[in-house]
Amino acid sequence: DVKVTQSSRYLVKRTGEKVFLECVQDMDHENMFWYRQDPGLGLRLIYFSYDVKMKEKGDIPEGYSVSREKKERFSLILESASTNQTSMYLCASSFPLGLKANTEAFFGQGTRLTVV
Amino acid sequence: EDKVVQSPLSLVVHEGDTVTLNCSYEVTNFRSLLWYKQEKKAPTFLFMLTSSGIEKKSGRLSSILDKKELFSILNITATQTGDSAIYLCAVDFGNEKLTFGTGTRLTIIP
Repeated sequence: DVKVTQSSRYLVKRTGEKVFLECVQDMDHENMFWYRQDPGLGLRLIYFSYDVKMKEKGDIPEGYSVSREKKERFSLILESASTNQTSMYLCASSFPLGLKANTEAFFGQGTRLTVV
Repeated sequence: EDKVVQSPLSLVVHEGDTVTLNCSYEVTNFRSLLWYKQEKKAPTFLFMLTSSGIEKKSGRLSSILDKKELFSILNITATQTGDSAIYLCAVDFGNEKLTFGTGTRLTIIP
């Protein structure tokens, strides 16, 4: 059974704290993604990685960084959390999207982060 | 700019009704369009469409893509309360990313 696991379901952090969100997948996927989901804005891509140690900025990378030291793990880092980073964060993984027919992205359960 | 637009933003219908959700996109390049259902947390995959005019079907759900007019529809017939969810449309513009629309929040009233 396909699985993408995010380390926390709920997090509350203080402004200025460094925050780590962890995501692990067990499907040997090359691609991993971090999105944030806000009401009325849908899912917006923060960063994605198409291989170990490779990363590419998405649509809203400001205030975030990522790390992919191993194929199965993709971490999102908020260097100095701010209240406007309060959101639902979703991790996803996939095979290279054009490589196989019917390849879709699989999502984790999400982390609801509140920055106070 | 690659863009995906879903409509309506929200929809409330009675159980048994048929609904049609819309997804349109502006394209610089196009590889596939995906539909997801999000009930509580993790979006779950419904359909992937790559070819125009070919309907994908799963039970009461079906979807079709029009690559000429740049849109897709998701139909749900004989709706049930368990269909209440956010329905997300995403497009792969050939750059290994999925661009999502804002989603349609569907509420089914018993």
